[in-house]
Amino acid sequence: AQKVTQAQTEISVVEKEDVTLDCVYETRDTTYYLFWYKQPPSGELVFLIRRNSFDEQNEISGRYSWNFQKSTSSFNFTITASQVVDSAVYFCALSDANTGTASKLTFGTGTRLQVTL
Amino acid sequence: GAGVSQSPSNKVTEKGKDVELRCDPISGHTALYWYRQRLGQGLEFLIYFQGNSAPDKSGLPSDRFSAERTGESVSTLTIQRTQQEDSAVYLCASSLEGYNEQFFGPGTRLTVL
Repeated sequence: AQKVTQAQTEISVVEKEDVTLDCVYETRDTTYYLFWYKQPPSGELVFLIRRNSFDEQNEISGRYSWNFQKSTSSFNFTITASQVVDSAVYFCALSDANTGTASKLTFGTGTRLQVTL
Repeated sequence: GAGVSQSPSNKVTEKGKDVELRCDPISGHTALYWYRQRLGQGLEFLIYFQGNSAPDKSGLPSDRFSAERTGESVSTLTIQRTQQEDSAVYLCASSLEGYNEQFFGPGTRLTVL
């Protein structure tokens, strides 16, 4: 069975600090996808990134970066120079990679990030 | 283009009543998913559709829950004889066939009194 663990329930930082959100996953599949979603106070989930299990290159998108390490089954998310608008609940998720078909997402319990001035 | 839409946005019902929740996926998306999010928790998978067939219903919590989809468009999630533990936000998502990047709707907040 697939499982995603986000051990950090809540993190508070002051604006401009860097913050890393941890994600550890379990799966028996050799091919899978990992995701991060953001859920702002408005409630609607916003897709941030998808990474497949064959691509361990780190990715950077503006102030966001992701560190995928297969050896430790982790897919951590770092926000550099955090801003108040980054305040949200962040979910890590996992799916198998049935190419050509759809696949459900298994979500972690989320990390609530609070960025204050 | 329009995103995933859900209706109603809020639904308050009495215990024992039936409710129907609706999802309109992004046009052209063949896969459609239902998830449930209880207060302060992560998302639980309920069911997904590929076209109008449901290959995976493993997340439906009981036989009070059912869902259907018309062609590759609208889906309805029905909860019969609602219970207080059914109170949650019900989220719908859709994706293109062959891609599993899912786009989520705003959800329906269900409150069972």
